[in-house]
Amino acid sequence: GAVVSQHPSWVICKSGTSVKIECRSLDFQATTMFWYRQFPKQSLMLMATSNEGSKATYEQGVEKDKFLINHASLTLSTLTVTSAHPEDSSFYICSARVVLAENNEQFFGPGTRLTVL
Amino acid sequence: AQKITQTQPGMFVQEKEAVTLDCTYDTSDPSYGLFWYKQPSSGEMIFLIYQGSYDQQNATEGRYSLNFQKARKSANLVISASQLGDSAMYFCAMRGDNTGRRALTFGSGTRLQVQP
Repeated sequence: GAVVSQHPSWVICKSGTSVKIECRSLDFQATTMFWYRQFPKQSLMLMATSNEGSKATYEQGVEKDKFLINHASLTLSTLTVTSAHPEDSSFYICSARVVLAENNEQFFGPGTRLTVL
Repeated sequence: AQKITQTQPGMFVQEKEAVTLDCTYDTSDPSYGLFWYKQPSSGEMIFLIYQGSYDQQNATEGRYSLNFQKARKSANLVISASQLGDSAMYFCAMRGDNTGRRALTFGSGTRLQVQP
């Protein structure tokens, strides 16, 4: 299957700093990528849909100025958590949609565990 | 709106036995896709199986099969011959094909523990 990578796999930062998470499709082009957030022992919740060359679409309740998304190329989307606070500590997972796949399957990255002190 | 319901927070199964993980859904889309993912403690999401709403036959992938009952809006995952490595969280998810929303909506998950 298609491979999606995320970097970093984990990050610890101080409150008030910004953190950038990269999501890359390694062997295919992804016009659409998705960013999910998962709090401990909870399900994945969609944060935003990232479209190459256009603005991201954010879910209700997600602050677009706090969670900056840039989809600059067909293989890279970045999520920047600005002025991070302890409540932003979570597991962030991206996925990329393979348009030509038999079932429009989404492939997930391995996730990034963010801890804000 | 789409909604996925997984009513079993946790399940136990003996090694080599079969287990069924429940999933019910609700959607206004006439065409949709249903997915099951496995999430081990490492956090990665592993795709297991897919069922399209217009597929006549239940999907199967190795030891995984999906018991799709459209009228009941259920899409239960059956794992046959459980293995210790099957211990993980399992998420049922849905994608609506006609709303333009391509993201997945996930259920709350079921934690499966396989006992030796």
